[in-house]
Amino acid sequence: GQQLNQSPQSMFIQEGEDVSMNCTSSSIFNTWLWYKQDPGEGPVLLIALYKAGELTSNGRLTAQFGITRKDSFLNISASIPSDVGIYFCAGRREYGNKLVFGAGTILRVKS
Amino acid sequence: ETGVTQTPRHLVMGMTNKKSLKCEQHLGHNAMYWYKQSAKKPLELMFVYNFKEQTENNSVPSRFSPECPNSSHLFLHLHTLQPEDSALYLCASSRSPTGGYYNEQFFGPGTRLTVL
Repeated sequence: GQQLNQSPQSMFIQEGEDVSMNCTSSSIFNTWLWYKQDPGEGPVLLIALYKAGELTSNGRLTAQFGITRKDSFLNISASIPSDVGIYFCAGRREYGNKLVFGAGTILRVKS
Repeated sequence: ETGVTQTPRHLVMGMTNKKSLKCEQHLGHNAMYWYKQSAKKPLELMFVYNFKEQTENNSVPSRFSPECPNSSHLFLHLHTLQPEDSALYLCASSRSPTGGYYNEQFFGPGTRLTVL
Protein backbone atom coordinates (compact mmCIF):
# COMPACT_ATOMS: atom_id res chain seq x y z
CA GLY A 1 0.00 0.00 0.00
CA GLN A 2 0.88 3.68 -0.10
CA GLN A 3 3.68 4.58 2.30
CA LEU A 4 5.13 7.74 3.68
CA ASN A 5 8.78 7.75 4.65
CA GLN A 6 9.23 9.84 7.77
CA SER A 7 12.65 10.74 9.14
CA PRO A 8 14.36 10.77 11.44
CA GLN A 9 12.86 7.90 13.45
CA SER A 10 13.92 9.56 16.69
CA MET A 11 15.78 12.59 17.97
CA PHE A 12 17.32 13.42 21.34
CA ILE A 13 18.13 17.11 21.46
CA GLN A 14 19.14 19.80 23.91
CA GLU A 15 16.50 22.23 25.12
CA GLY A 16 16.65 25.39 23.03
CA GLU A 17 17.80 23.65 19.85
CA ASP A 18 15.84 23.75 16.62
CA VAL A 19 14.34 20.53 15.23
CA SER A 20 13.67 19.45 11.65
CA MET A 21 11.84 16.40 10.40
CA ASN A 22 10.37 15.45 7.06
CA CYS A 23 8.11 13.11 5.17
CA THR A 24 8.53 11.92 1.60
CA SER A 25 6.46 9.87 -0.79
CA SER A 26 6.79 8.49 -4.29
CA SER A 27 3.26 9.71 -5.07
CA ILE A 28 1.71 13.16 -5.30
CA PHE A 29 -0.33 14.35 -2.33
CA ASN A 30 -2.80 17.22 -2.24
CA THR A 31 -2.84 17.53 1.55
CA TRP A 32 -0.13 17.27 4.17
CA LEU A 33 -0.89 17.20 7.88
CA TRP A 34 1.32 17.17 10.95
CA TYR A 35 0.08 15.63 14.21
CA LYS A 36 1.66 15.35 17.65
CA GLN A 37 0.94 12.51 20.05
CA ASP A 38 1.72 12.87 23.74
CA PRO A 39 2.22 9.72 25.83
CA GLY A 40 -1.11 8.07 26.62
CA GLU A 41 -3.06 10.37 24.30
CA GLY A 42 -4.31 10.43 20.73
CA PRO A 43 -2.73 12.48 17.93
CA VAL A 44 -3.52 16.20 17.91
CA LEU A 45 -3.48 18.16 14.65
CA LEU A 46 -0.75 20.80 14.61
CA ILE A 47 -0.66 22.12 11.06
CA ALA A 48 -2.59 21.43 7.84
CA LEU A 49 -1.21 22.25 4.37
CA TYR A 50 -3.29 22.29 1.19
CA LYS A 51 -1.19 24.02 -1.49
CA ALA A 52 2.19 23.19 -2.99
CA GLY A 53 4.81 25.58 -1.62
CA GLU A 54 2.58 26.62 1.29
CA LEU A 55 4.46 27.58 4.44
CA THR A 56 2.39 27.69 7.63
CA SER A 57 3.31 28.45 11.22
CA ASN A 58 1.71 27.56 14.53
CA GLY A 59 3.70 29.23 17.29
CA ARG A 60 7.22 27.81 17.23
CA LEU A 61 6.21 25.22 14.64
CA THR A 62 6.54 25.80 10.91
CA ALA A 63 5.59 23.32 8.21
CA GLN A 64 5.98 23.42 4.46
CA PHE A 65 4.22 21.65 1.61
CA GLY A 66 6.96 20.68 -0.85
CA ILE A 67 6.81 22.11 -4.35
CA THR A 68 6.96 18.64 -5.90
CA ARG A 69 3.91 17.71 -3.78
CA LYS A 70 5.79 14.58 -2.70
CA ASP A 71 7.21 15.86 0.57
CA SER A 72 6.64 18.01 3.61
CA PHE A 73 8.82 19.41 6.39
CA LEU A 74 8.18 20.34 10.00
CA ASN A 75 10.48 22.61 11.96
CA ILE A 76 10.32 23.37 15.68
CA SER A 77 12.33 26.34 16.87
CA ALA A 78 13.84 26.74 20.35
CA SER A 79 12.60 23.40 21.66
CA ILE A 80 11.24 23.10 25.20
CA PRO A 81 10.58 20.02 27.38
CA SER A 82 6.87 19.92 26.53
CA ASP A 83 7.74 19.38 22.85
CA VAL A 84 8.48 15.76 23.80
CA GLY A 85 6.26 13.29 21.99
CA ILE A 86 5.76 11.55 18.68
CA TYR A 87 5.25 13.66 15.57
CA PHE A 88 3.35 12.12 12.68
CA CYS A 89 3.01 13.30 9.14
CA ALA A 90 -0.08 12.32 7.19
CA GLY A 91 -1.04 12.87 3.59
CA ARG A 92 -4.04 12.64 1.36
CA ARG A 93 -3.44 11.54 -2.21
CA GLU A 94 -4.57 13.53 -5.20
CA TYR A 95 -7.70 11.51 -5.90
CA GLY A 96 -8.51 9.91 -2.59
CA ASN A 97 -9.99 10.56 0.81
CA LYS A 98 -7.91 8.25 2.96
CA LEU A 99 -5.17 9.63 5.14
CA VAL A 100 -1.82 7.84 4.90
CA PHE A 101 0.42 8.18 7.95
CA GLY A 102 4.15 8.11 8.47
CA ALA A 103 5.64 5.91 11.20
CA GLY A 104 6.41 8.92 13.39
CA THR A 105 9.42 10.79 14.76
CA ILE A 106 10.04 10.36 18.48
CA LEU A 107 11.33 13.60 19.97
CA ARG A 108 13.10 13.69 23.32
CA VAL A 109 14.40 16.93 24.84
CA LYS A 110 17.21 17.22 27.39
CA SER A 111 16.75 20.10 29.82
CA GLU B 1 -17.54 16.77 27.86
CA THR B 2 -15.98 17.86 24.59
CA GLY B 3 -14.00 16.31 21.75
CA VAL B 4 -13.66 12.58 21.21
CA THR B 5 -13.78 10.24 24.19
CA GLN B 6 -12.97 6.55 24.33
CA THR B 7 -13.66 3.91 26.97
CA PRO B 8 -12.13 1.93 28.44
CA ARG B 9 -8.67 3.51 28.33
CA HIS B 10 -7.01 0.17 29.10
CA LEU B 11 -8.26 -3.36 28.48
CA VAL B 12 -6.69 -6.73 29.10
CA MET B 13 -8.50 -9.71 27.67
CA GLY B 14 -7.96 -13.40 27.03
CA MET B 15 -8.19 -14.89 23.57
CA THR B 16 -11.61 -16.39 24.30
CA ASN B 17 -13.17 -13.24 25.76
CA LYS B 18 -15.67 -10.92 24.12
CA LYS B 19 -15.32 -7.22 24.83
CA SER B 20 -16.31 -3.91 23.27
CA LEU B 21 -14.57 -0.58 22.82
CA LYS B 22 -16.66 2.58 22.85
CA CYS B 23 -16.09 5.93 21.17
CA GLU B 24 -18.21 9.05 21.50
CA GLN B 25 -17.73 12.38 19.75
CA HIS B 26 -19.24 15.68 20.89
CA LEU B 27 -18.20 17.69 17.83
CA GLY B 28 -21.29 17.29 15.65
CA HIS B 29 -19.28 15.32 13.09
CA ASN B 30 -20.78 12.81 10.67
CA ALA B 31 -17.80 10.60 9.92
CA MET B 32 -16.12 8.29 12.42
CA TYR B 33 -13.07 6.06 12.12
CA TRP B 34 -11.28 3.21 13.86
CA TYR B 35 -7.49 3.01 13.62
CA LYS B 36 -4.99 0.49 14.98
CA GLN B 37 -1.67 1.87 16.25
CA SER B 38 1.21 -0.54 16.82
CA ALA B 39 4.61 0.53 18.10
CA LYS B 40 6.85 2.18 15.51
CA LYS B 41 4.33 1.58 12.71
CA PRO B 42 2.05 3.98 10.86
CA LEU B 43 -1.55 4.23 11.96
CA GLU B 44 -3.62 1.61 10.15
CA LEU B 45 -7.12 2.58 9.11
CA MET B 46 -9.62 -0.16 9.99
CA PHE B 47 -13.14 1.17 9.38
CA VAL B 48 -14.86 4.35 8.24
CA TYR B 49 -18.48 5.30 8.89
CA ASN B 50 -20.33 8.20 7.35
CA PHE B 51 -23.82 9.04 8.63
CA LYS B 52 -23.89 5.64 10.41
CA GLU B 53 -23.14 3.73 7.18
CA GLN B 54 -19.90 1.83 6.82
CA THR B 55 -17.99 3.18 3.84
CA GLU B 56 -14.65 1.48 4.34
CA ASN B 57 -13.47 -1.85 5.69
CA ASN B 58 -9.74 -2.07 5.22
CA SER B 59 -9.57 -5.89 5.03
CA VAL B 60 -9.99 -6.20 8.77
CA PRO B 61 -10.41 -9.73 10.20
CA SER B 62 -13.95 -10.62 11.21
CA ARG B 63 -12.94 -10.96 14.87
CA PHE B 64 -13.24 -7.14 14.85
CA SER B 65 -16.85 -6.07 14.39
CA PRO B 66 -17.74 -2.37 14.27
CA GLU B 67 -21.11 -0.84 15.09
CA CYS B 68 -22.27 2.73 14.56
CA PRO B 69 -25.77 3.26 16.00
CA ASN B 70 -25.68 7.02 15.32
CA SER B 71 -23.25 9.69 14.16
CA SER B 72 -22.00 10.33 17.70
CA HIS B 73 -21.22 6.79 18.81
CA LEU B 74 -18.95 4.10 17.46
CA PHE B 75 -18.22 0.68 18.92
CA LEU B 76 -15.65 -1.98 18.15
CA HIS B 77 -16.73 -5.44 19.26
CA LEU B 78 -13.89 -7.86 19.88
CA HIS B 79 -14.00 -11.66 20.03
CA THR B 80 -11.46 -14.46 19.88
CA LEU B 81 -8.58 -12.03 19.42
CA GLN B 82 -4.93 -13.00 19.00
CA PRO B 83 -1.93 -11.68 20.95
CA GLU B 84 -0.78 -9.80 17.83
CA ASP B 85 -3.97 -7.75 18.06
CA SER B 86 -2.52 -6.03 21.13
CA ALA B 87 -2.20 -2.34 20.22
CA LEU B 88 -3.60 1.12 20.84
CA TYR B 89 -7.00 1.47 19.15
CA LEU B 90 -7.81 5.02 18.19
CA CYS B 91 -11.16 6.48 17.27
CA ALA B 92 -11.40 9.65 15.19
CA SER B 93 -14.15 11.82 13.76
CA SER B 94 -14.47 14.51 11.11
CA ARG B 95 -17.27 16.54 9.52
CA SER B 96 -17.19 14.30 6.47
CA PRO B 97 -14.83 11.60 5.12
CA THR B 98 -13.46 13.80 2.34
CA GLY B 99 -11.15 15.91 4.46
CA GLY B 100 -10.05 19.45 3.67
CA TYR B 101 -10.34 22.86 5.27
CA TYR B 102 -11.96 22.60 8.72
CA ASN B 103 -12.66 18.96 7.92
CA GLU B 104 -9.69 17.05 9.26
CA GLN B 105 -9.81 14.21 11.75
CA PHE B 106 -9.91 14.68 15.52
CA PHE B 107 -8.65 11.72 17.53
CA GLY B 108 -9.67 10.27 20.86
CA PRO B 109 -7.10 9.22 23.49
CA GLY B 110 -7.26 5.57 22.48
CA THR B 111 -7.82 2.24 24.23
CA ARG B 112 -4.65 0.33 25.08
CA LEU B 113 -5.59 -3.31 24.39
CA THR B 114 -3.56 -6.27 25.61
CA VAL B 115 -4.54 -9.77 24.49
CA LEU B 116 -3.11 -12.57 26.62
